[in-house]
Amino acid sequence: AQSVAQPEDQVNVAEGNPLTVKCTYSVSGNPYLFWYVQYPNRGLQFLLKYITGDNLVKGSYGFEAEFNKSQTSFHLKKPSALVSDSALYFCAACSGGSYIPTFGRGTSLIVHP
Amino acid sequence: ETGVTQSPTHLIKTRGQQVTLRCSSQSGHNTVSWYQQALGQGPQFIFQYYREEENGRGNFPPRFSGLQFPNYSSELNVNALELDDSALYLCASSSPGLAETQYFGPGTRLLVL
Repeated sequence: AQSVAQPEDQVNVAEGNPLTVKCTYSVSGNPYLFWYVQYPNRGLQFLLKYITGDNLVKGSYGFEAEFNKSQTSFHLKKPSALVSDSALYFCAACSGGSYIPTFGRGTSLIVHP
Repeated sequence: ETGVTQSPTHLIKTRGQQVTLRCSSQSGHNTVSWYQQALGQGPQFIFQYYREEENGRGNFPPRFSGLQFPNYSSELNVNALELDDSALYLCASSSPGLAETQYFGPGTRLLVL
């Protein structure tokens, strides 16, 4: 069975500082990994995905994520946080043989001015 | 904003009633997935439709059913509503295939009293 863990319910960071939102996964075979962001009363917006290739994936709004196979992690990062980055972030994973993604519970990112 | 629209935005029903939620997919997408997002949780996969056929189903009972139409719009029907069905229901459209990016609509918030 697939599973995704986001160990932090909330991450607080000061504007201008780097941010990291953590995600670990468990899937059979090669993973496909995704990050989505959700603003209040809105649907999920796609940020980036890892399919294969370079372990560092660059996405929208200056976000990037690093795939680490040995640690089964796919942490979301941004070098300099903005107040407007404050939102709910979801990590999702599916195995190479499945099109059904499993989502984590989400991490609330709060960027303080 | 994605081109995925959902209606209605909000809905209040009573236990035992039936509800139909609607989704229009993004232009060029022939695959639609439905998710249930309970408060404080990540989205849970309900089912996916491809070319008007169910193409996969999550761990939801048969009272959750769906349709996809020739124009690739879709409906989610829930019979015999239960209090635990209260949630945000998200529709996502995509191109067919593994690990294709899903584009989410804004969701329908259902409250069952």
